[in-house]
Amino acid sequence: SSELTQDPAVSVALGQTVRITCQGDTVRDYYVSWYQHKPGRAPVVLIYGRNSRPSGIPDRFSGSSSGDTASLTITGAQAEDEADYYCNSRDSSSNLVFGGGTRLTVL
Amino acid sequence: EVQLVQSGGGPVKPGGSLRLSCAASGFNFNDYTFNWVRQAPGQGLEWVSSISSGGSYIYYADAVRGRFTISRDNTKNSLYLQMNSLSAEDTAVYYCVREDYGFGANWFDPWGQGTLVTVSS
Repeated sequence: SSELTQDPAVSVALGQTVRITCQGDTVRDYYVSWYQHKPGRAPVVLIYGRNSRPSGIPDRFSGSSSGDTASLTITGAQAEDEADYYCNSRDSSSNLVFGGGTRLTVL
Repeated sequence: EVQLVQSGGGPVKPGGSLRLSCAASGFNFNDYTFNWVRQAPGQGLEWVSSISSGGSYIYYADAVRGRFTISRDNTKNSLYLQMNSLSAEDTAVYYCVREDYGFGANWFDPWGQGTLVTVSS
């Protein structure tokens, strides 16, 4: 099992704000990156570092961290945001690890 | 354009072997650590292995250590994953991924297109 815990599924009404969380002891020590994964496509990085977005990623995506929990917030969710979301960081042995993933449904 | 193009993969019988390749272009391949990440059917993303820019530092997930070997050829801008003693649990889409760094953080970008490995008798 992953050392990074995510809620399996979250839903949000179109245009509303949703927060996807990633909980683990190592979140206190390492930055978390966030990925969006749609069926049949390669994952895409959304957030890395403290709260950095690669070019081309809409500013409705933002990241934060407090204690042992990192969060990805989508402000004003769009239909195209329906996807699986994964956090990534390091485990207690400093190996790279993904959270179990959160399936986002936009209602 | 920064690009990772994967090849290899396909069906293989349990106990068999397969080699995945990943060709990089559009950036200085020698400067980066690379990883393999996989996704089994209906499951989440799983980190598999990483190799440092010069090939000196190599790491594996417990699930593949001793069976998989990651390597790279910096003269060919290519990354490889040799997979031996394959089992049904290794059935997955495998992604080649560049690891980027900055601001004390690391992240995966870009990702290859993915290649399906199916282990079945």
